[in-house]
Amino acid sequence: GIQVEQSPPDLILQEGANSTLRCNFSDSVNNLQWFHQNPWGQLINLFYIPSGTKQNGRLSATTVATERYSLLYISSSQTTDSGVYFCAVEFASGGSYIPTFGRGTSLIVHP
Amino acid sequence: EAGVAQSPRYKIIEKRQSVAFWCNPISGHATLYWYQQILGQGPKLLIQFQNNGVVDDSQLPKDRFSAERLKGVDSTLKIQPAKLEDSAVYLCASSLARGLNSPLHFGNGTRLTVT
Repeated sequence: GIQVEQSPPDLILQEGANSTLRCNFSDSVNNLQWFHQNPWGQLINLFYIPSGTKQNGRLSATTVATERYSLLYISSSQTTDSGVYFCAVEFASGGSYIPTFGRGTSLIVHP
Repeated sequence: EAGVAQSPRYKIIEKRQSVAFWCNPISGHATLYWYQQILGQGPKLLIQFQNNGVVDDSQLPKDRFSAERLKGVDSTLKIQPAKLEDSAVYLCASSLARGLNSPLHFGNGTRLTVT
């Protein structure tokens, strides 16, 4: 069936380290967004990135739609980056307009 | 701009009781979503509204869950009767357009515990 898979499921970093989070999807997508859920549960939109590369400060994201994956890069990580990172995709088939989330990558950044 | 407002923040009920959650989306956002997030999992879509019409409710357990969006603004999600497996965070989100054509904005959620 249609799936969104994120890796790694868990990640522990020392402050200042860099990391790459991956989102694979099983079918063609119209749209893709990355979110950060902080330790208090608030979900914040990071990027709207159906294709190409975008950067916002220490964060950047790349989506290669033809190869069905997206990457989120975190550079010089800080303790405030801790939380769960989700990708959400809107699959192209059937005109569904349904945002489907992956299971997330849980990130802990130690001082 | 004001964000998506949800209430209550927390609710504890016994199984077989009923409960209702309320959501006020960002002003001007035509699309409203209710998601269920079980601990350790990603949000799962329950229902999507476009203005006051239902776009998708294929994953809503209709025997016990109901939702409405009167006048295309506020929305309520109801569970009756609740089961233990309904314990989760219920998230409301809104966006300008359907799907992921525009950024999704989430409220703080309602944490439901069913005992």
